Amino acid sequence: DTGVSQDPRHKITKRGQNVTFRCDPISEHNRLYWYRQTLGQGPEFLTYFQNEAQLEKSRLLSDRFSAERPKGSFSTLEIQRTEQGDSAMYLCASSLEAIKGRINTGELFFGEGSRLTVL
Amino acid sequence: SQQGEEDPQALSIQEGENATMNCSYKTSINNLQWYRQNSGRGLVHLILIRSNEREKHSGRLRVTLDTSKKSSSLLITASRAADTASYFCANTSGTYKYIFGTGTRLKVLA
Repeated sequence: DTGVSQDPRHKITKRGQNVTFRCDPISEHNRLYWYRQTLGQGPEFLTYFQNEAQLEKSRLLSDRFSAERPKGSFSTLEIQRTEQGDSAMYLCASSLEAIKGRINTGELFFGEGSRLTVL
Repeated sequence: SQQGEEDPQALSIQEGENATMNCSYKTSINNLQWYRQNSGRGLVHLILIRSNEREKHSGRLRVTLDTSKKSSSLLITASRAADTASYFCANTSGTYKYIFGTGTRLKVLA
């Protein structure tokens, strides 16, 4: 197991272009999160998946943002018609929901993030 | 914003000193966690304290929780230059959603 991986690590794009980020969680983890972090701030919750179902989406996410997790494995976060205000680090995290008989530490495992710069 | 507040925003200490950072949150919680983030990297889990616990230790880390004041503190004893990082608290009131604080940027001078 290599942990949570995110791709690309860095993306520079021009305003108005579309970008897509990919997250591969730890293989047995059924929960997957996307967070956004701007300089000097803490991570802000964007959305959450349990298996393939997107159970919550923050009001921070405009209609230009869409996230998917087909088959409950990897996830993608797409931003359409990017704006300069979208420049941030996009963090993916995964965790394992408590299963009867197993201890859930409640710990989130983060990837290294995808840094987006919109010119 | 749902984010909690952390205090101080920045802290600079000498190697060997103790570092204390505080976190306040807004809602009732199930548990509270502390994470560390090196510059430009992802977050790494440090320690979790449940709502029915008041204090917890892990190595050089000591966490306290005061649910009546909706606050927590993280103490790092005998700090090292390698402890230089940003530290965030995260709380969850439900079963899955974690709300992070604004962070404390710790600098440990060798």
